[in-house]
Amino acid sequence: QSVLTQPPSVSGAPGQRVTISCTGSSSNIGAGFDVHWYQQLPGTAPKLLIDGNTNRPSGVPDRFSGSKSGTSASLAITGLQAEDEADYYCLSYDSSLSGWVFGGGTKLTVL
Amino acid sequence: QSTLKESGPTLVKPTQTLTLTCSFSGFSLSTSGVGVGWIRQPPGKALEWLVVIYWDDDKRYSPSLKSRLTITKDTSKNQVVLTMTNMDPVDTATYYCAHRPDRYGAFDIWGPGTMVTVSS
Repeated sequence: QSVLTQPPSVSGAPGQRVTISCTGSSSNIGAGFDVHWYQQLPGTAPKLLIDGNTNRPSGVPDRFSGSKSGTSASLAITGLQAEDEADYYCLSYDSSLSGWVFGGGTKLTVL
Repeated sequence: QSTLKESGPTLVKPTQTLTLTCSFSGFSLSTSGVGVGWIRQPPGKALEWLVVIYWDDDKRYSPSLKSRLTITKDTSKNQVVLTMTNMDPVDTATYYCAHRPDRYGAFDIWGPGTMVTVSS
């Protein structure tokens, strides 16, 4: 059971918008620590999608965006494409655990 | 372009010690701020952060695994070595090493991972 809670699954049709939430607490996201998002395609290593809450690394389409408020963060994907079907993870630092923690992961299905 | 690659045994027996090597190129672990970390992922499960080592030899361990982990770096060889003692079947996972540009950023570049099975 991760300290960062993500929905196990989300789904959407091509072209639609989906959001994935990452809910933490006052010892991680709520304490001001940055949230990072990763995309993991089947059988591959995670790829950094959003760095520092809202920043897209070079090469990441602007269909992907991140936000953070209070003790939660969200990843939004607009114009959903079949290639977006993957697992998505959030990452932040937890001061109570003195370490970095990943969310439990969310499987995105493109209908 | 920075790359990392993990290497080590694919199969270890329970109670044995696992030694994994992360070989990297395109950056130096003597550059101020830079770090290399290890993350693992059991089959079908979530990612778990294990440890990170920085350019100045500062090391941060996951509290839950600290007693079993040791991380070292060889700057001249561009390698980071992870050892994990007393391996158990629950440690079966894909182990990834990843680059960290500074103490505040994400693990931005990952190796392809290496699958380790713990079984007698």
